[in-house]
Amino acid sequence: SQQGEEDPQALSIQEGENATMNCSYKTSINNLQWYRQNSGRGLVHLILIRSNEREKHSGRLRVTLDTSKKSSSLLITASRAADTASYFCATVQGGGYNKLIFGAGTRLAVHP
Amino acid sequence: DGGITQSPKYLFRKEGQNVTLSCEQNLNHDAMYWYRQDPGQGLRLIYYSQIVNDFQKGDIAEGYSVSREKKESFPLTVTSAQKNPTAFYLCASSRRQAQNTEAFFGQGTRLTVV
Repeated sequence: SQQGEEDPQALSIQEGENATMNCSYKTSINNLQWYRQNSGRGLVHLILIRSNEREKHSGRLRVTLDTSKKSSSLLITASRAADTASYFCATVQGGGYNKLIFGAGTRLAVHP
Repeated sequence: DGGITQSPKYLFRKEGQNVTLSCEQNLNHDAMYWYRQDPGQGLRLIYYSQIVNDFQKGDIAEGYSVSREKKESFPLTVTSAQKNPTAFYLCASSRRQAQNTEAFFGQGTRLTVV
């Protein structure tokens, strides 16, 4: 079963614009993570936000977490063509097994 | 360099054959994972392991098997029971003790049934 579900499925913007992606999940979590995947490659970790945190920044990335709504958002500011990739949220469910579950992802295209 | 290595990058399988995908890490991570990714889709968890000689089924374990005899290695066998094995397979590893920990991914193996 997919834990995280991203929205939108695809996003097309111009360089310099901001890109916002959303993620919803169903069960309680320990943390929520965002990853990036370039076409045909492995995933690269971007940022992790713990369940007791509400907002986190890393460079041009801003992540928010609303545990009451079971949702998170990833904002990429001043986007560049090199940001073109798929972005996935992932959640770690409780129970001590550190089970990392991914959503379906958002495909971001940034046009020069 | 520390990292996680998957091999081969491309693999072709005849129907009815078993094939094994390799995943090796030198990050001293306890936890390792196998995911399947179909075109334009997200990652689905096949198997995961938190410690040597122990592993758990993920959401789509049918037709797959794994072993965890060494901390560094977590090979995945795609058996003939897997009816639609053509996909991109990703291996990942992470620390186990801290639940707030990132996963590191290999570059994937693209399996095609011919």
